[in-house]
Amino acid sequence: EAGVVQSPRYKIIEKKQPVAFWCNPISGHNTLYWYRQNLGQGPELLIRYENEEAVDDSQLPKDRFSAERLKGVDSTLKIQPAELGDSAVYLCASSLVWTSGYEQYFGPGTRLTVT
Amino acid sequence: AQSVSQHNHHVILSEAASLELGCNYSYGGTVNLFWYVQYPGQHLQLLLKYFSGDPLVKGIKGFEAEFIKSKFSFNLRKPSVQWSDTAEYFCAVNAGNAGNMLTFGGGTRLMVKP
Repeated sequence: EAGVVQSPRYKIIEKKQPVAFWCNPISGHNTLYWYRQNLGQGPELLIRYENEEAVDDSQLPKDRFSAERLKGVDSTLKIQPAELGDSAVYLCASSLVWTSGYEQYFGPGTRLTVT
Repeated sequence: AQSVSQHNHHVILSEAASLELGCNYSYGGTVNLFWYVQYPGQHLQLLLKYFSGDPLVKGIKGFEAEFIKSKFSFNLRKPSVQWSDTAEYFCAVNAGNAGNMLTFGGGTRLMVKP
C-alpha cells in the first residue's frame, strides 16, 4: 500500500515569492491534515479536511496561506507571499476517519527554505 | 488549550542502556496518547498508542509506555536500546473532544552510541 505522497521534497525560494505544496493521501483516507514543523519543535496543525471540507483551520494564517482539497482526495497548500519565518517542514498526514483514536499516517514532508 | 511537554530535548545513551523519555500533558479530560518516531531521513511513524484499558502499552521494536492519569504522564521506555533506535521521538495527545486533532510535544532527539 502506498503511503502519503508529498511533493516537492525540498523547495528554496526568495521571500515574497509564492510556493505550493502537494499531498496525495493514502487511498480511501477521508481525513487529511497539514502540519508545520519548525526546527527543533513538534508538528503543529495548520488545517484539517474531512473529505473536501475544511473543518479546522483555526491555526492557518489566512492572510498568506491557503489550502484546497478538490474532490476530497489530494490537496494543495499555498503560501503567497512567503516570509523568512515560513521556513519549516510542511507535513501532510491522512487518516481513515476523523473521530479520535484513528492513527494518522504522515508523509515525508516538504522542507521549505525562504531566503 | 491542551499542551504537551517533553522535558528531555537531547538524550545520549550507550547501547544496552535503558531508556525512559518523559511526556506530560495538560488536558484534564479523556485523552488518547501516542508516541511517534522519526528515524533519520524518514517520515514520522507510529510507535505505540493508548486509547483505554491497560495503562501499560506495548509497541513495536520493544518499546512500551505507561499512562499514569494522576500524573498526566505517558512516559516511553525501552529496557535495552540499540544503535538503530537513534531517532527523534514525539509524544502526542488527542483530547477526547477534539476530533482527531493531535497536539505534539517538542520532541526528544535520542542518540545511541555503538
